[in-house]
Amino acid sequence: EPEVTQTPSHQVTQMGQEVILRCVPISNHLYFYWYRQILGQKVEFLVSFYNNEISEKSEIFDDQFSVERPDGSNFTLKIRSTKLEDSAMYFCASRMGGYTFGSGTRLTVV
Amino acid sequence: GEDVEQSLFLSVREGDSSVINCTYTDSSSTYLYWYKQEPGAGLQLLTYIFSNMDMKQDQRLTVLLNKKDKHLSLRIADTQTGDSAIYFCAEFGGATNKLIFGTGTLLAVQP
Repeated sequence: EPEVTQTPSHQVTQMGQEVILRCVPISNHLYFYWYRQILGQKVEFLVSFYNNEISEKSEIFDDQFSVERPDGSNFTLKIRSTKLEDSAMYFCASRMGGYTFGSGTRLTVV
Repeated sequence: GEDVEQSLFLSVREGDSSVINCTYTDSSSTYLYWYKQEPGAGLQLLTYIFSNMDMKQDQRLTVLLNKKDKHLSLRIADTQTGDSAIYFCAEFGGATNKLIFGTGTLLAVQP
């Protein structure tokens, strides 16, 4: 069964550093998403991406965040200058009809 | 805005049925989902229901949808210790194409 693949599974970074979280969506899907889950809290929408542009973003998705689909297969989330409160599990998802989630990247900012 | 609420905790004995409830606010939702999350793990899709259905059964899982009251439930028959996890309901559709997740219900199954 096709999968959404996320790398790395766990990343530790120092506050103020830039991180790039990577995702390979399912190849024939058209819609791509990033969600995040702070430990012990609910899953929150960050951004949706369609036709090579952002279609919707949440209040969380401020100027520190950006997304890119650089080569037609990867879908990346960049956090420019990480803060302690960015520590969370980040989930990528892709969709044609139904959603498929990746297994997540746990980001720890120290 | 859209909101999805769940009770925080449910404890059952092994072999009993579990019923996890969810309420949502967006009456134009087209799909409603149930996800399972084990500790430190990702989101596993359990089942979903179209908004024009009242019920869906899938092996031990039964989903009931009351669209008038915007109430969704997940019944797990013959609950096992391996069912212990956090269960999230999520709605999709309406004005946007994003999933709105509930607060999650921690299901604890006592042997």
